[in-house]
Amino acid sequence: GAVVSQHPSWVICKSGTSVKIECRSLDFQATTMFWYRQFPKQSLMLMATSNEGSKATYEQGVEKDKFLINHASLTLSTLTVTSAHPEDSSFYICSASGGEQYFGPGTRLTVT
Amino acid sequence: GNSVTQMEGPVTLSEEAFLTINCTYTATGYPSLFWYVQYPGEGLQLLLKATKADDKGSNKGFEATYRKETTSFHLEKGSVQVSDSAVYFCALSEKGNTPLVFGKGTRLSVIA
Repeated sequence: GAVVSQHPSWVICKSGTSVKIECRSLDFQATTMFWYRQFPKQSLMLMATSNEGSKATYEQGVEKDKFLINHASLTLSTLTVTSAHPEDSSFYICSASGGEQYFGPGTRLTVT
Repeated sequence: GNSVTQMEGPVTLSEEAFLTINCTYTATGYPSLFWYVQYPGEGLQLLLKATKADDKGSNKGFEATYRKETTSFHLEKGSVQVSDSAVYFCALSEKGNTPLVFGKGTRLSVIA
């Protein structure tokens, strides 16, 4: 099946710093990528939808200036958490779609 | 809007017991339905799916049938193993390039 990778798999950063998470489709071209967020013992909540070459569409309540999404190519989307705070600590999961959706393994962010 | 409701956990079963995790959905159109599994500390893995009414998805002994009349997609397995311990998410998607809507997840623990 199709493979989606995320990097890093986990990251610890200090409050106020920015963190970039990469999502790559390794063996297919993804016209659309989705970013989800999962708090401990909770479900996945969609943060934003990104289409290659265009601006991301953010869900209500998600700050677009805080969570910067770039989808510069058909195989790479990045999520940058700017000025991270402890409440941003979460599990971030991307999925890539070239028709069907495939999920990355997730990135665990801990902000201290 | 679309939504997915699945039974609350946690569910604790003995090895070789029969498993049912209920899932019902609300959708305006004719969605595709999915079950995903998440093992501790990992991302989501697609377990099975069904794309139209009366389709049965199956994988690794798990089954679920798309029931349009009852808007349900219950997950079943005849004999669970300790290795099946995980969180199971029911989800729907209207089309391939639309984000998934997830249920809250059901934690399954299988004891030997």
